[in-house]
Amino acid sequence: GENVEQHPSTLSVQEGDSAVIKCTYSDSASNYFPWYKQELGKGPQLIIDIRSNVGEKKDQRIAVTLNKTAKHFSLHITETQPEDSAVYFCAAPFTASKLTFGTGTRLQVTL
Amino acid sequence: DGGITQSPKYLFRKEGQNVTLSCEQNLNHDAMYWYRQDPGQGLRLIYYSQIVNDFQKGDIAEGYSVSREKKESFPLTVTSAQKNPTAFYLCASSIEANIFRGELFFGEGSRLTVL
Repeated sequence: GENVEQHPSTLSVQEGDSAVIKCTYSDSASNYFPWYKQELGKGPQLIIDIRSNVGEKKDQRIAVTLNKTAKHFSLHITETQPEDSAVYFCAAPFTASKLTFGTGTRLQVTL
Repeated sequence: DGGITQSPKYLFRKEGQNVTLSCEQNLNHDAMYWYRQDPGQGLRLIYYSQIVNDFQKGDIAEGYSVSREKKESFPLTVTSAQKNPTAFYLCASSIEANIFRGELFFGEGSRLTVL
């Protein structure tokens, strides 16, 4: 079935440390994997995405890695800052018109 | 500024009442979506529309209805048939219906509480 599993559900790190969030998906045909960040009281916003023809993509302090064989992808945030505190969602499309989201990870960056 | 506007931000209703959540976009996007967000369950798709006058059920459409009479508007009605309507509702749009071609843009959500 269409399933995206996301771990951990909560993550607390000290400012300056790295954070890693992992997702697995069930449909091997999926080839687009976005990550969304949701700040308190707001809607999610796309922060980075990766397509299946690459294994890694970086944008400043965030990076996403993809392992198509194992059907998992991960979000890496380096040098975390307090403004990184938010809920992060991974997602994968199981059809061309429908995006399935993971259950979310609440990241808390402490001073 | 371009974006998606959802209203109201907070809504309270009594059991047995229908309620309509508004979603308007000025991004000239073809596709629009409604998601429901519950703690620990992520975002679940209720309905989506790829083009005006057309819409499809998502994963949890029971107890909900939508219309797409105008490109910029995609209202969601939560009917009395929805067993557990208290939730945070998010509207989104994308430039076209093909998810692989681009991101979803979300509104700031509407929080519905049934008393």
